[in-house]
Amino acid sequence: AQSVSQHNHHVILSEAASLELGCNYSYGGTVNLFWYVQYPGQHLQLLLKYFSGDPLVKGIKGFEAEFIKSKFSFNLRKPSVQWSDTAEYFCAVIALTDSWGKFQFGAGTQVVVTP
Amino acid sequence: GAGVSQSPRYKVTKRGQDVALRCDPISGHVSLYWYRQALGQGPEFLTYFNYEAQQDKSGLPNDRFSAERPEGSISTLTIQRTEQRDSAMYRCASSLSLSSREGRYEQYFGPGTRLTVT
Repeated sequence: AQSVSQHNHHVILSEAASLELGCNYSYGGTVNLFWYVQYPGQHLQLLLKYFSGDPLVKGIKGFEAEFIKSKFSFNLRKPSVQWSDTAEYFCAVIALTDSWGKFQFGAGTQVVVTP
Repeated sequence: GAGVSQSPRYKVTKRGQDVALRCDPISGHVSLYWYRQALGQGPEFLTYFNYEAQQDKSGLPNDRFSAERPEGSISTLTIQRTEQRDSAMYRCASSLSLSSREGRYEQYFGPGTRLTVT
């Protein structure tokens, strides 16, 4: 069965620092990849997604992610974080040959940005 | 427009009681998903529907859990004879459809129902 792992459970950084969150998945076939974010008191919302084509995808709020097929990775980045980026971030994967609705989520990374 | 809504937002129940959790998807969304999220974990797939048809229920933990979407809109997740280990956040999501030519449609999540079994 496929799985998704996020390397860090908690990250604390200062405003203006750069952020990179790791995501690896274990599936050899074609996948669609997503990053979701949950701000305090809000629901999960989509940050960005990768289906095919350019492996560097840009999402909302200055986030981007790079798909590296050979490493089975889809790391999320932001060059300069703001206090408002404090949230929990989830990587999600769906294998295109798997049950079409069956997303697999990572355990999440709690990011705290200090002023 | 309105997003995905779930009710109740919080539910406290005694062990052994049945609970029904409701999800009202975005109007016109064909696909509806249920997830369970334990503290410190990501959402775990339970089941999903296309219209009223339950396409995959492989994530339902046991036969105490069931879900329905009789008219292809509102869905109910029912847990019978609740146990303390059922305590979690139950999330519903909907999407326009399963996929386009490009890939899977984005899932829109509701606020979740926090279930506590005492």
